[in-house]
Amino acid sequence: QVQLQESGPGLVKPSETLSLTCTVSGGSVSSGSDYWSWIRQPPGKGLEWIGYIYYTGSTTYNPSLKSRVTILVDTSQNQFSLNVSSVTAADTAVYFCAKAPYATCFDYWGQGTLVTVSS
Amino acid sequence: EIVLTQSPGTLSLSPGERATLSCRASQSVSSTYLAWYQQKPGQAPRLLISGASSRATGIPDRFSGSGSGTDFTLTISRLEPEDFAVYYCHQYGSSSVTFGQGTRLEIK
Repeated sequence: QVQLQESGPGLVKPSETLSLTCTVSGGSVSSGSDYWSWIRQPPGKGLEWIGYIYYTGSTTYNPSLKSRVTILVDTSQNQFSLNVSSVTAADTAVYFCAKAPYATCFDYWGQGTLVTVSS
Repeated sequence: EIVLTQSPGTLSLSPGERATLSCRASQSVSSTYLAWYQQKPGQAPRLLISGASSRATGIPDRFSGSGSGTDFTLTISRLEPEDFAVYYCHQYGSSSVTFGQGTRLEIK
């Protein structure tokens, strides 16, 4: 059973960079069939897809966030990460990492981590 | 970007009743690329249906999905107390993945 766990600071100052890591267990980020994704959910609101990464490092981003987002993969640590630059209060959300077989539906999710942007 | 509009926003029903949730796309979505999720407070979403109509592993058969083109439906045949939650549809047929805004299913 694949498990994903998000980690990172829960509080980030405006204009700084939000950085999160997702650690995968029970599976491998190097799996040729899986894409690894970040999704976020502002408090009380719906889901917003941020982007995907494949084990080769190939990425696809949400066009609305593309200019500020970087997703990286570290196959040696079985992790992938998210950076969002120049954050504002609008980036306050629960951030989820998830697995998407063949870049389709999200079949496994982390529990989510709340990141608050505030000075 | 394909916009998914879910209706109703809130659905109030009683246990044992049938729930019908709608997801309408702004342009045609291959039925292969439409999924439904259930989310309870404080939890991550849980995959219910992929490919518009295929139940995910462990999902009870009271959950069913249907539809094609721009109109998709999630049906819960007989509501159990644990089914009251928020439901999201999701399309992954275009390079930009999108979610619907959600339907809240509440106990009447």
